[in-house]
Amino acid sequence: AQSVTQLDSHVSVSEGTPVLLRCNYSSSYSPSLFWYVQHPNKGLQLLLKYTSAATLVKGINGFEAEFKKSETSFHLTKPSAHMSDAAEYFCVVSALPRGQNFVFGPGTRLSVLP
Amino acid sequence: GAGVSQSPSNKVTEKGKDVELRCDPISGHTALYWYRQSLGQGLEFLIYFQGNSAPDKSGLPSDRFSAERTGGSVSTLTIQRTQQEDSAVYLCASSLALRTGGFGETQYFGPGTRLLVL
Repeated sequence: AQSVTQLDSHVSVSEGTPVLLRCNYSSSYSPSLFWYVQHPNKGLQLLLKYTSAATLVKGINGFEAEFKKSETSFHLTKPSAHMSDAAEYFCVVSALPRGQNFVFGPGTRLSVLP
Repeated sequence: GAGVSQSPSNKVTEKGKDVELRCDPISGHTALYWYRQSLGQGLEFLIYFQGNSAPDKSGLPSDRFSAERTGGSVSTLTIQRTQQEDSAVYLCASSLALRTGGFGETQYFGPGTRLLVL
């Protein structure tokens, strides 16, 4: 079985400070890992994905994530938060070659304070 | 190009009524997924279509839920005899599914249908 844990349900940062959203996964197979963002009343948008190439993945809007197999982690970071980053962030693991192959974490709500 | 579209964007219905939710995937995408997102929750997988293969229905919560995909394109999710606990946002996604089962493929999501059962 595969699963995703997002350690923080809510993260609050000040504008201009670094962002760290934590994600740990478990999988019996070599996984692909994704981060999606969902702004209020908007659809899910892909931020970045890891598919067994470079372990440090750069995404849109200045976000990046590092795949660490030894720690089974895929934490999302950004050097400097912007007000527009306030949203819900979902870590996703894909490791099973069948339909239910996207397993979503419970999400982390990011608040950015002025 | 056009993304995944869903209709209606909002649906209010009375308990016990049937509802149909529609999804138009990205042209050329062979895989289509339905998810449910309840208030404050993550996404719950419902059903998966891949080409002409039999759909993976393992996520459907009860036999009141069904879905079909006509001509390998448009999909309809039907909920019969709706209950209040069915209230949620229903999301559709599609992917190219170049690999078997869509493993590792990026899924592109529609804006969702917000269903409220009174």
